[in-house]
Amino acid sequence: GAVVSQHPSRVICKSGTSVKIECRSLDFQATTMFWYRQFPKQSLMLMATSNEGSKATYEQGVEKDKFLINHASLTLSTLTVTSAHPEDSSFYICSAGEGWNTEAFFGQGTRLTVV
Amino acid sequence: GESVGLHLPTLSVQEGDNSIINCAYSNSASDYFIWYKQESGKGPQFIIDIRSNMDKRQGQRVTVLLNKTVKHLSLQIAATQPGDSAVYFCAENLSQAGTALIFGKGTTLSVSS
Repeated sequence: GAVVSQHPSRVICKSGTSVKIECRSLDFQATTMFWYRQFPKQSLMLMATSNEGSKATYEQGVEKDKFLINHASLTLSTLTVTSAHPEDSSFYICSAGEGWNTEAFFGQGTRLTVV
Repeated sequence: GESVGLHLPTLSVQEGDNSIINCAYSNSASDYFIWYKQESGKGPQFIIDIRSNMDKRQGQRVTVLLNKTVKHLSLQIAATQPGDSAVYFCAENLSQAGTALIFGKGTTLSVSS
């Protein structure tokens, strides 16, 4: 199946700094990618839909100025957590699919710890 | 809010038994459903999918059943193995281009030898 690569897999940062997470589709082009956040022992919660060449669509309650999304090409979307706080510590996961209403492939996830 | 949920948060079975994991969804407009397996510290891994024009689909050791009348989805794992231990999520998708998968709460499957 298609491959989605996410980097880094784990990052520790200090409060107040910014962290960038990359999501790449390795063998297909993805017009749309999705970013999820997962807290321990909970489900994946959709944060935003990343659209190539246009602004991301954020879910209710997700601060667009805090979670900056850039989808500059058909194979790369980035999520930047700005001015990180300890409560932003979570597992962030991206996904992409080859077409609509088809299987979505997930990245390996990024464990963010803000200290 | 979430439109997909699971009946049981945990399920413990013996190796070799069959496992059944259930999911109820609330959005009747959803027409594509997927089961994912997630191991600790990893992203979800595709298991099997089903579209709303079907009521059953089989894979290797897994079967997904869809009952649109009561909006219920189930995953059956035959001859469960210790390697099947993980958290299982059902997810639904609306029949619209660019829409994201919505996940249920997850069921933790524990398989003992």
